[in-house]
Amino acid sequence: AQTVTQSQPEMSVQEAETVTLSCTYDTSENNYYLFWYKQPPSRQMILVIRQEAYKQQNATENRFSVNFQKAAKSFSLKISDSQLGDTAMYFCAFMKPSTIIQGAQKLVFGQGTRLTINP
Amino acid sequence: DAGVTQSPTHLIKTRGQQVTLRCSPKSGHDTVSWYQQALGQGPQFIFQYYEEEERQRGNFPDRFSGHQFPNYSSELNVNALWLGDSALYLCASSLMGFADTQYFGPGTRLTVL
Repeated sequence: AQTVTQSQPEMSVQEAETVTLSCTYDTSENNYYLFWYKQPPSRQMILVIRQEAYKQQNATENRFSVNFQKAAKSFSLKISDSQLGDTAMYFCAFMKPSTIIQGAQKLVFGQGTRLTINP
Repeated sequence: DAGVTQSPTHLIKTRGQQVTLRCSPKSGHDTVSWYQQALGQGPQFIFQYYEEEERQRGNFPDRFSGHQFPNYSSELNVNALWLGDSALYLCASSLMGFADTQYFGPGTRLTVL
């Protein structure tokens, strides 16, 4: 079974700073997907970024980028020029690819990191 | 483009009662997954529906059941509620075999007294 670990329960930085959230995972699969989701106080889970394991290049979405180290099973999220609206719980998640027989796969989530951006 | 919608937003029940939660997937999606999120925890997978069948199930008792309708919307039913069922219930939709990305609804907050 896959497991996802986020070792930082809480983090706090000043607005405009850069912050990195850590995530490690355990799997015997070679092909899989990794995600970062953001859950603000409004509680809606919002997709931040996605990485395919077969891609060497790290994914980037505007101010959000990842450092994917497949051999180390590490998947950290870097937020540049942090903004007050980035305050939220951040969850790292793992998923195997879907198959026609098994259907779409489930997301396996970490425990989350509570990120606070201070003015 | 309508996103994933869930109803109701909040629900209060007493122990032993039954509850039904509803989810409409994002336009164009055909797969619905349900997750339970206890306070301060990451979401836990309950089950998933595709082509009106339960395709996968997490480690949840049979008190948790579901259904998917021809229009791809879904229901989550929980019987014999107990205090430990109090949680945020999240619905996520995706398109089978494409991108494998799940998009979440706003959730239903269930409180069992």
